[in-house]
Amino acid sequence: DVKVTQSSRYLVKRTGEKVFLECVQDMDHENMFWYRQDPGLGLRLIYFSYDVKMKEKGDIPEGYSVSREKKERFSLILESASTNQTSMYLCASGGWAGGSGQETQYFGPGTRLLVL
Amino acid sequence: GESVGLHLPTLSVQEGDNSIINCAYSNSASDYFIWYKQESGKGPQFIIDIRSNMDKRQGQRVTVLLNKTVKHLSLQIAATQPGDSAVYFCAEQTGANSKLTFGKGITLSVRP
Repeated sequence: DVKVTQSSRYLVKRTGEKVFLECVQDMDHENMFWYRQDPGLGLRLIYFSYDVKMKEKGDIPEGYSVSREKKERFSLILESASTNQTSMYLCASGGWAGGSGQETQYFGPGTRLLVL
Repeated sequence: GESVGLHLPTLSVQEGDNSIINCAYSNSASDYFIWYKQESGKGPQFIIDIRSNMDKRQGQRVTVLLNKTVKHLSLQIAATQPGDSAVYFCAEQTGANSKLTFGKGITLSVRP
């Protein structure tokens, strides 16, 4: 079974703090993704990575950065947290689905971040 | 805390009935589609996928139907159970290794 883990389920931070969200996958997948999920807005892609030390901006990268030093680990960094970054953050890892022969995405449990 | 299901359309079904969840996708060039299930407080869970060269695919108690003519995807759940209560998302992809585009989701509520 694919396993994607995230370092925290819940986090509370203050405005201006630097925040690190860690994601680890155990399936040797090349591709990893960070999304945020907000009511009424659905899933929005922040950043993704197709390989170690490689990163690409998603649809809403502003205020975020990422790090991929090892294949299994993809970190999301909020350089200076703001209240509008309060959200559910979801990490995903890309791998081959069982039936269709095409890569799909498997999600971690999510980190609910509250910025005060 | 707020639920991911807030503001989403809701489908209410009786336990034991079949459920049909619909999704209209946007890009006629999309060639791969996925259905995810998300329970409250959890991350989305892969259910089933289908490529555009197929119009139907079956899994365990679930069937996905694809109608490319009208850009419509549906998920059918047989004999719906209380554990099926969740938010369901469709996602589309255009070309391998490209980004997924997610639908907003539909809340499935199962009445006992």
